[in-house]
Order: sequence, then structure tokens, then C-alpha cells
Amino acid sequence: DTEVTQTPKHLVMGMTNKKSLKCEQHMGHRAMYWYKQKAKKPPELMFVYSYEKLSINESVPSRFSPECPNSSLLNLHLHALQPEDSALYLCASSQGVTANSPLHFGNGTRLTVT
Amino acid sequence: ILNVEQSPQSLHVQEGDSTNFTCSFPSSNFYALHWYRWETAKSPEALFVMTLNGDEKKKGRISATLNTKEGYSYLYIKGSQPEDSATYLCAFPSGATNKLIFGTGTLLAVQP
Repeated sequence: DTEVTQTPKHLVMGMTNKKSLKCEQHMGHRAMYWYKQKAKKPPELMFVYSYEKLSINESVPSRFSPECPNSSLLNLHLHALQPEDSALYLCASSQGVTANSPLHFGNGTRLTVT
Repeated sequence: ILNVEQSPQSLHVQEGDSTNFTCSFPSSNFYALHWYRWETAKSPEALFVMTLNGDEKKKGRISATLNTKEGYSYLYIKGSQPEDSATYLCAFPSGATNKLIFGTGTLLAVQP
């Protein structure tokens, strides 16, 4: 069982919808991440929160809006998405915020934008 | 732009075979190199984080070596089993940060 929990597992949304992806960890980790993964491609970093503050935004379009309400929770708010945003969205956490901190991943949310 | 390359792209072996694959990364500004295993319908799982040149780490039948001067790491699997079938990803941090750049992965299929 993964210790990083993502909900929902699957999501289908229209281009005018607003939805949110949720991620939770109770390992006391200080960094949390959103990655996007398209078929046959490696995971691409979107956002990093370190100590509940947004530390890295990889020039992600504003239709994706991250939120870290507390050290255990990470949300990704979605609005006016495009079909090309369909992908697997992975959440991860790490104990530290340094280069040698391994990531612990959730199972992902499979998003389809129609 | 960081370039993290893995080879081969895919590998098919028979149960009991030993195998290895490669991750190449920039040799300058090295801080760490991560290896992950990603089985179908599961989440990626960290195998190793390597930080020292010449480092060798082992977890059961899987081991990894690191050469930071020439910018490569090898992952070895001894006596492959069907449960080893997965995509193996390496990841390289951008600077001394937790911004990990993933390689394209090696898809391993072990036939019983």
C-alpha cells in the first residue's frame, strides 16, 4: 500500500469544468510535488512545495493552480483545461527538501479532458 | 536544459537471466542520482539514491553503481524474475535542489 494517497483515481472533465485533485501523506514529509506523465514519456515536474510554500513552478499554465493547505495535504485545482492536458497526474512527497531525498509517490489520478 | 538518458528503451529477457541498463547524466554539478522502479498499475518506488563517485548499492538481487566523473550509472538485476518486470527510471536533481528530472526509462519484461 502506498503511503501517499491520491483521489480520485480517475477523472473525466469537460473543458469548462472546475475540478480538484487531492493528495495526502502522513509521514511528516516536508516537501510535496505534482508531476504530469503522458504515455511513453517520463514524469514531468509541475510544482514543488517545500515547508508548505511553493518553491518551484515549472512555468505551468495558470489553468493549473496548486494549493498546500497544510503539511499533509496538496491539491491541484483545474479549470478550463484542454484535451492535451489529459494525462496521469502523480503526487509525491519527500522527507527532506534536498537533492538526495527520495520521492514517495501516490498511485496517480488518470485525467481525461473531453 | 538537463539531459538524462537511459538505454536501452526496452529489454526482454528470460527468467533467470541477469541484465543491466544505463543512465547517463551531466557530469558537472553532481549532487545525487536516483533510481525508481515503476510496476504497471502501481506507484513509482524509490530503489536507490546515490551520492558518491564509485558508490555501489544493493537491494536483494538489484544493485547499482555510480560514476560521477563520466556521468553514468548502471542498474543490474541478477537472476531476473517475472516480478521484476517494470519500467526502471533514473532521475537527476537540477542543482542542489529537490527538482528531479527523470530519464525516459527502461521497460523490462521478464518472460517465465
